[in-house]
Amino acid sequence: GQQLNQSPQSMFIQEGEDVSMNCTSSSIFNTWLWYKQEPGEGPVLLIALYKAGELTSNGRLTAQFGITRKDSFLNISASIPSDVGIYFCAGRILYNNNDMRFGAGTRLTVKP
Amino acid sequence: ETGVTQTPRHLVMGMTNKKSLKCEQHLGHNAMYWYKQSAKKPLELMFVYNFKEQTENNSVPSRFSPECPNSSHLFLHLHTLQPEDSALYLCASSQDPRRETQYFGPGTRLLVL
Repeated sequence: GQQLNQSPQSMFIQEGEDVSMNCTSSSIFNTWLWYKQEPGEGPVLLIALYKAGELTSNGRLTAQFGITRKDSFLNISASIPSDVGIYFCAGRILYNNNDMRFGAGTRLTVKP
Repeated sequence: ETGVTQTPRHLVMGMTNKKSLKCEQHLGHNAMYWYKQSAKKPLELMFVYNFKEQTENNSVPSRFSPECPNSSHLFLHLHTLQPEDSALYLCASSQDPRRETQYFGPGTRLLVL
């Protein structure tokens, strides 16, 4: 019901390739967030989305808030080795602003 | 120091030990959180504090006892833990519990033997 389904679980790509990952839910969200976590560190916020249809970029990263409010995707263009890490989506459920849910993460490996 | 700091970064404890995790935020935030992160699972929210008052306890076993003496400090007291409690414990803070942007500390990697 209110869980976030994040896919894929892991990706192994070559440096220079583009990456796409997404999160879906059966619930409606009013906020989508994308975090990156590197080994031994806590998650760091990459992009925050607040409106349905919103498309936001942060350097080589682009994220979109789905029109249905039930999904979001994150794209990374021209990947580099330092993109390695675990990417998490998170969202706040509509009408329940204290309830933030996290996806299980996408583990990205970039081969030089 | 800036951001959210956590100590210790690594902790190994036996099931009969008592230990405490510490979190400090230097961001002037009013809300603080404890999360548990286990391998390949979503982050699990444990506790939420707003202005030093606990506002959420997500059915966390009593062997985990939080303490928030002020808006900048948050502790997690551990007692009689089980091996399945081994995980990365993350502290986070935000301006208030309804604010989307939570800032995370580096976590404490806990191993219970």
